[in-house]
Amino acid sequence: DAKTTQPNSMESNEEEPVHLPCNHSTISGTDYIHWYRQLPSQGPEYVIHGLTSNVNNRMASLAIAEDRKSSTLILHRATLRDAAVYYCILRASGSARQLTFGSGTQLTVLP
Amino acid sequence: DTAVSQTPKYLVTQMGNDKSIKCEQNLGHDTMYWYKQDSKKFLKIMFSYNNKELIINETVPNRFSPKSPDKAHLNLHINSLELGDSAVYFCASSHIGGNTEAFFGQGTRLTVV
Repeated sequence: DAKTTQPNSMESNEEEPVHLPCNHSTISGTDYIHWYRQLPSQGPEYVIHGLTSNVNNRMASLAIAEDRKSSTLILHRATLRDAAVYYCILRASGSARQLTFGSGTQLTVLP
Repeated sequence: DTAVSQTPKYLVTQMGNDKSIKCEQNLGHDTMYWYKQDSKKFLKIMFSYNNKELIINETVPNRFSPKSPDKAHLNLHINSLELGDSAVYFCASSHIGGNTEAFFGQGTRLTVV
């Protein structure tokens, strides 16, 4: 599985936007970029995924670089409930391959 | 209506015992997984099943044996439990393919004493 690199931790103020970066320089053409998060004492939760184009959903936006070697998860207005570990994961197309989790980014939201 | 449910939520047992963790998904997914999260919070894949067939078996001791009676269930049986097996175990499911999202259960916290 292609590897991703994320900062270990980030802080944000409540109600401000948060940009969580991810580098994936060895991404292949058929890899989807997935983001999951894990709130304290809960299982991982799907956030968003994309292939080439930017994506928006009710939780977040995903901005994908033109060369696909990096991406950014955008939380438009962070709340205290968004404090979690955020994982950027590459998932190969057309396979039953598992999600391979790295160490993720611990997001702290300050009131 | 819980999408992926695991039972029990907590499990405390003595070394040497045999225990099982059950997982059920009601999403109609064809692929199910077991993950282990250790004390350092690192999530590691253990097994992956697609349509009841074992797809991935990472380096896991033979004491761990997954069983999939049907596509909606993937149970994890652990023999001769050891202290190092203490962790949180997560079940997950998805459709096959990279363009699909996975759903995770709430986890089973196993403590071996």
